Amino acid sequence: EAQVTQNPRYLITVTGKKLTVTCSQNMNHEYMSWYRQDPGLGLRQIYYSMNVEVTDKGDVPEGYKVSRKEKRNFPLILESPSPNQTSLYFCASSLGTFRILPGSPLHFGNGTRLTVT
Amino acid sequence: SQQGEEDPQALSIQEGENATMNCSYKTSINNLQWYRQNSGRGLVHLILIRSNEREKHSGRLRVTLDTSKKSSSLLITASRAADTASYFCAPSSIQGAQKLVFGQGTRLTINP
Repeated sequence: EAQVTQNPRYLITVTGKKLTVTCSQNMNHEYMSWYRQDPGLGLRQIYYSMNVEVTDKGDVPEGYKVSRKEKRNFPLILESPSPNQTSLYFCASSLGTFRILPGSPLHFGNGTRLTVT
Repeated sequence: SQQGEEDPQALSIQEGENATMNCSYKTSINNLQWYRQNSGRGLVHLILIRSNEREKHSGRLRVTLDTSKKSSSLLITASRAADTASYFCAPSSIQGAQKLVFGQGTRLTINP
């Protein structure tokens, strides 16, 4: 089944304790992205990747890192989480970049609800 | 980058009625997509309409696009309880940034 898999689904951690949220897609998609969703602020893009070893900042990249060593995986790393990173996180992937394949639908994972105390 | 703004913010109707949601955007686009999000879950792509199309259907969904008014609408006919969700539009253009930008969405509640 074609899907984007995020893990874990729920995560509670403490300030400063490094964590990684994994994201994997099995559709051979080139484009992958991370969003966070907060009440009243909607979905905001954190980072995106147009291909292996190609990543770029989205609108709210501060406090996050990503890597794209393989096409299928795009982990989100919080080196030193803080309470303002408490949020619902979504990974998404798409067949192509929007300039080459405009309108490529985004496929979303089921989300990771992160709480930082 | 493009961002759509959905209107209304919230909509509550009775099961069986039709639901209409609107989306406005600011600059020229190549296409516009609609997504649905069930509470706390990932967004699901519903339908895409290209800039040279005026109307598109998919099952109980009907999408219109008016590029002169920079607006789109999503109509769900014969609504069901399972249609309760938030709905987002996402306009995109080749000239735009490498991302889809989502607004706050329309929160649709279908009452039994």
